[in-house]
Amino acid sequence: DGGITQSPKYLFRKEGQNVTLSCEQNLNHDAMYWYRQDPGQGLRLIYYSQIVNDFQKGDIAEGYSVSREKKESFPLTVTSAQKNPTAFYLCASSIRGRFTETQYFGPGTRLLVL
Amino acid sequence: QQQVKQSPQSLIVQKGGIPIINCAYENTAFDYFPWYQQFPGKGPALLIAIRPDVSEKKEGRFTISFNKSAKQFSLHIMDSQPGDSATYFCAASLTGNQFYFGTGTSLTVIP
Repeated sequence: DGGITQSPKYLFRKEGQNVTLSCEQNLNHDAMYWYRQDPGQGLRLIYYSQIVNDFQKGDIAEGYSVSREKKESFPLTVTSAQKNPTAFYLCASSIRGRFTETQYFGPGTRLLVL
Repeated sequence: QQQVKQSPQSLIVQKGGIPIINCAYENTAFDYFPWYQQFPGKGPALLIAIRPDVSEKKEGRFTISFNKSAKQFSLHIMDSQPGDSATYFCAASLTGNQFYFGTGTSLTVIP
């Protein structure tokens, strides 16, 4: 059963704490993406990776970091520098990384600040 | 500057009605316009997409109308059903570059 999995479904962060959101795909896609979704706003691109060991910043990368050590995994770390982290985070993948390809989204992780 | 503006923010229709969601874009170089459907607690899924070389594309009950001169495109849902109740996002991109998403439209179809 191919797809994208994100964990956890809900995540709570304390002040000053770094937290890592997991994203795994078994679709054999080259490209992976992280988006942030806030109420009343569209999806905004945080980071994307078109190939292993390479990634680029999106529009709102400040306060976030990523790694792409394996093709199937693209974890996102929300650092303490991100002052407003409460949001719904979506991971996506596509076959080759051209943005006009279909992007397949995971079920999302909702991050809440304690 | 918001690259893609979407309206309305929410929409309620009766079953069988034809909801219409509109989007306007800024960059005349955009050449790919997808629509995504998102159910609560789930990630968006591609519904239908169009390129500017055609003025209309239909897939099942979903139709995109595209007006290049007005820089606008819209989604029509024919014979809407309660199961179509979801949030719909339009997007636009220039080939090889990132998507710019609209702010979403929450559609409710009343039985």
